[in-house]
Amino acid sequence: AQRVTQPEKLLSVFKGAPVELKCNYSYSGSPELFWYVQYSRQRLQLLLRHISRESIKGFTADLNKGETSFHLKKPFAQEEDSAMYYCALENSGYALNFGKGTSLLVTP
Amino acid sequence: GAVVSQHPSRVICKSGTSVKIECRSLDFQATTMFWYRQFPKKSLMLMATSNEGSKATYEQGVEKDKFLINHASLTLSTLTVTSAHPEDSSFYICSASDREGGNEQFFGPGTRLTVL
Repeated sequence: AQRVTQPEKLLSVFKGAPVELKCNYSYSGSPELFWYVQYSRQRLQLLLRHISRESIKGFTADLNKGETSFHLKKPFAQEEDSAMYYCALENSGYALNFGKGTSLLVTP
Repeated sequence: GAVVSQHPSRVICKSGTSVKIECRSLDFQATTMFWYRQFPKKSLMLMATSNEGSKATYEQGVEKDKFLINHASLTLSTLTVTSAHPEDSSFYICSASDREGGNEQFFGPGTRLTVL
């Protein structure tokens, strides 16, 4: 069965501190993983996908198949990073299975 | 970037009535549209996948007679909540993708449904 687990409901860090949002998955095939972000009062939007191996807004995420993880990281958090972050796994029908989300709060 | 709209953004209805929610891709042709439901403090749950011109594929546990989905054109999909009840109150979000542009999904802003 496909499952995406985000163990932290809320993560609070100080501005400038490193941040890591955890995501673990279970999937029998070759996973396609994404991070989506939802800023306050805005729609859900794609932050990054593992296949593109890019860094967006300073965030990176590495797929670790051995640990079945896709943690999102940023070395220096900014206040504007405060948002809801969802890890998602694409199924064979191209739909997304979402984790429960982690609310990131970056305080000055 | 690609834009997806939803209408209405909020709707309040009486129990027993039906409500239609529209999802439109404004600047691209969406071969596939997805409908999600978000419960308070919970994640988005996929309800169904709809491909233009064919019947929607519903996820397990989602009543197809309750949540009617129509994807009549490449830019419009509708979700009709029939005979709505208070437990149907939720936030409904659609997304659309154009396979030719890769498999990125673009999300609508969501519709808040409140059934009294």
